[in-house]
Amino acid sequence: DGGITQSPKYLFRKEGQNVTLSCEQNLNHDAMYWYRQDPGQGLRLIYYSQIVNDFQKGDIAEGYSVSREKKESFPLTVTSAQKNPTAFYLCATGTGTRPQHFGDGTRLSIL
Amino acid sequence: QQPVQSPQAVILREGEDAVINCSSSKALYSVHWYRQKHGEAPVFLMILLKGGEQKGHDKISASFNEKKQQSSLYLTASQLSYSGTYFCGTEISTSGTYKYIFGTGTRLKVLA
Repeated sequence: DGGITQSPKYLFRKEGQNVTLSCEQNLNHDAMYWYRQDPGQGLRLIYYSQIVNDFQKGDIAEGYSVSREKKESFPLTVTSAQKNPTAFYLCATGTGTRPQHFGDGTRLSIL
Repeated sequence: QQPVQSPQAVILREGEDAVINCSSSKALYSVHWYRQKHGEAPVFLMILLKGGEQKGHDKISASFNEKKQQSSLYLTASQLSYSGTYFCGTEISTSGTYKYIFGTGTRLKVLA
């Protein structure tokens, strides 16, 4: 079945640690996106990529990094510079700037 | 810049109707609606591409008024499964580049 796989579902980060969230898709979409959602809030764009080996910062990119070495994969690293990483992280795919399909998300918490 | 949705929250009884509005301070070229159930990922509901366009999906429909820079989502004869947070989304032009942003969200709770 075509879809988006995010892993892990739950992740805990120790202070000073970098953690990487995985996002894999088999929908053959060119564009991939990472969003952050805080409790009771909307979705805010962290990074997006419209083509392999290219990506752009969204509204809240500080403290995060991404790579896009393959069309199918768009991992997000939450670095130690992100002082308030606790949130629900959603990966999406689509065309242009518009997300069409979302993964099931990863919940990140601080230990 | 973020489209403002109203109301922020609404509680309905099963079978009642609701309207959710999405207003933008910037020109709208298209509007998209999503529903997110608690703890889950958003699910795309529908896209409206032209001014005045109305689309429907089961008992959920939407309209798009380009001139007023707003869209409305209509939920008719609501069902328990309609509960969730509804977001509008749109692409806006900022300094010659396009970006996609979501609205502020509307929490909808349908009671039996």
